[in-house]
Amino acid sequence: DVKVTQSSRYLVKRTGEKVFLECVQDMDHENMFWYRQDPGLGLRLIYFSYDVKMKEKGDIPEGYSVSREKKERFSLILESASTNQTSMYLCASSLQNFNEKLFFGSGTQLSVL
Amino acid sequence: AQKITQTQPGMFVQEKEAVTLDCTYDTSDQSYGLFWYKQPSSGEMIFLIYQGSYDEQNATEGRYSLNFQKARKSANLVISASQLGDSAMYFCAMRGNNQGGKLIFGQGTELSVKP
Repeated sequence: DVKVTQSSRYLVKRTGEKVFLECVQDMDHENMFWYRQDPGLGLRLIYFSYDVKMKEKGDIPEGYSVSREKKERFSLILESASTNQTSMYLCASSLQNFNEKLFFGSGTQLSVL
Repeated sequence: AQKITQTQPGMFVQEKEAVTLDCTYDTSDQSYGLFWYKQPSSGEMIFLIYQGSYDEQNATEGRYSLNFQKARKSANLVISASQLGDSAMYFCAMRGNNQGGKLIFGQGTELSVKP
């Protein structure tokens, strides 16, 4: 069974902390994605990666960075967490072609206090 | 630039009736894919149906069908014979062949099925 695993379901951090959200997939997918989900705004793409060490900015990359050192792992980094980064974060992966669907992790609800 | 628009923040439907969820899109890509996902209150994202831009037939998957009108750039989801378990958020999404794999989502429609 295909699997995308996010390391934490709930996370509480303080303003200014450095935060790492980890995502691992076991399907040998080339593409990996980080989205944030907020009520009324849908899912907004933060960053995606199409290969190891390759990354592309999504629609809302400000305040975030990513790392993909291995094909199966894609990390989202909040260098200095702020309260407006409180959100649900969803990781996904897929094969390369545009007709391939995304497989999602179960999400991380991040609260920044 | 690509864009997906879902103009219905919330909808109600009576159990056993059909419902249409609207989705319009904009892209400069010649080839692209359109996807619908369901997100129940548990939060998981469930893939429902896919339509390719060059597919001649509208996609169907069980009670789900996609009303694809390419000239109007719309990809509406039709759910027939609604069930209580269909109550959820529904997201339309698009992926173009010149976007390096990028997939973008609409704002979502919250569907409530009434008994």
